[in-house]
Amino acid sequence: EAGVTQFPSHSVIEKGQTVTLRCDPISGHDNLYWYRRVMGKEIKFLLHFVKESKQDESGMPNNRFLAERTGGTYSTLKVQPAELEDSGVYFCASSRLGQDNYGYTFGSGTRLTVV
Amino acid sequence: AQKVTQAQTEISVVEKEDVTLDCVYETRDTTYYLFWYKQPPSGELVFLIRRNSFDEQNEISGRYSWNFQKSTSSFNFTITASQVVDSAVYFCALSEAKGSGGSNYKLTFGKGTLLTVNP
Repeated sequence: EAGVTQFPSHSVIEKGQTVTLRCDPISGHDNLYWYRRVMGKEIKFLLHFVKESKQDESGMPNNRFLAERTGGTYSTLKVQPAELEDSGVYFCASSRLGQDNYGYTFGSGTRLTVV
Repeated sequence: AQKVTQAQTEISVVEKEDVTLDCVYETRDTTYYLFWYKQPPSGELVFLIRRNSFDEQNEISGRYSWNFQKSTSSFNFTITASQVVDSAVYFCALSEAKGSGGSNYKLTFGKGTLLTVNP
């Protein structure tokens, strides 16, 4: 099966601009997670979708971040307006319902640089 | 609150050496899961192992082995006879169960250990 796909793989934008990251989970995976790693720090949880519903968005840093998963398939994460501290690698992961504790499948990440 | 500490930021070894990556965790939960992920230069996070808190048996998979000790809250990872292809960042992670039915296994990661295996 195809893995979790994220694009773009890299994005460089100026402070104040808008960027949209996309994640295509593995087909049939209802759980979808977003994580972020800021340079030199831990990978941190952002939010969790079950199908199209937000199950837990406690990790979203502020209201400049908006995640959507219309139709329960792919997900987008929009940052508007981007700030310098938003730079980092954004990971998406997916799993089947009831199987997330087995270790979900991560994508390769989107490296976002805000200049 | 949960916390994972990987005290080794970087490790450099010569091929065929054994290397152990340390992981110490903190949690108040009695039921939890521990994970190791590998991040090769290509960037994706590759799942290596999951261990639940009730299973303290050590595990061996080829050249990889894991030592889980609840008494010291550690879950260390050893690579035997390291190879250049083992060069990567390795992350230890801890999960909490949250929400109805415990379906949200949110991961808490350590900062990762960069392992470089030189030929």
